[in-house]
Amino acid sequence: NAGVTQTPKFHILKIGQSMTLQCTQDMNHNYMYWYRQDPGMGLKLIYYSVGAGITDKGEVPNGYNVSRSTTEDFPLRLELAAPSQTSVYFCASSLNQGSPNSPLHFGNGTRLTVT
Amino acid sequence: RKEVEQDPGPFNVPEGATVAFNCTYSNSASQSFFWYRQDCRKEPKLLMSVYSSGNEDGRFTAQLNRASQYISLLIRDSKLSDSATYLCVRGYTGNQFYFGTGTSLTVIP
Repeated sequence: NAGVTQTPKFHILKIGQSMTLQCTQDMNHNYMYWYRQDPGMGLKLIYYSVGAGITDKGEVPNGYNVSRSTTEDFPLRLELAAPSQTSVYFCASSLNQGSPNSPLHFGNGTRLTVT
Repeated sequence: RKEVEQDPGPFNVPEGATVAFNCTYSNSASQSFFWYRQDCRKEPKLLMSVYSSGNEDGRFTAQLNRASQYISLLIRDSKLSDSATYLCVRGYTGNQFYFGTGTSLTVIP
């Protein structure tokens, strides 16, 4: 059981370039999330999705886009990368949100440097 | 008031000590609570869910106090391997999960 899989693990991007961070889960979870974590800081929600075809902004959506065409996949798109987007990006999923039996499952993260 | 608040620490305790963390939350409608641990530059990993009646998993005990709107984590007989950042998380149906900023624990030999 792979759980939540993120690719790539590491990437260096030049200022102004674009890229897509991939996230897929095989647990048939309805909810998926993208977080970023800067060094020494907490997790900040970028976007989330409550099901295929539905996405919503989190706390820090500027500079990012997402799509959810299938239950399994939730890619995060960076357009016109800026140094401020240098961070560790975590994708997570959960079956639902209201039960202590339904925690968040995280991927291993993507470490992105924009230079 | 923040959705979830934690004392950032750091907590430095000797091996074998008992240490407790608290986390307060602002929304009384919250339905689910969790403790995660995060090692440096790694993904958060579920330590335990927190049930209304309190629950225990080995050396770890979690409690929920809905009247005072806080959850707690007690670690007994601390090990060097317990050194990490502990994250308090709450969620409820139809909304996001909210994370505390984390409490740093270092267990000293």
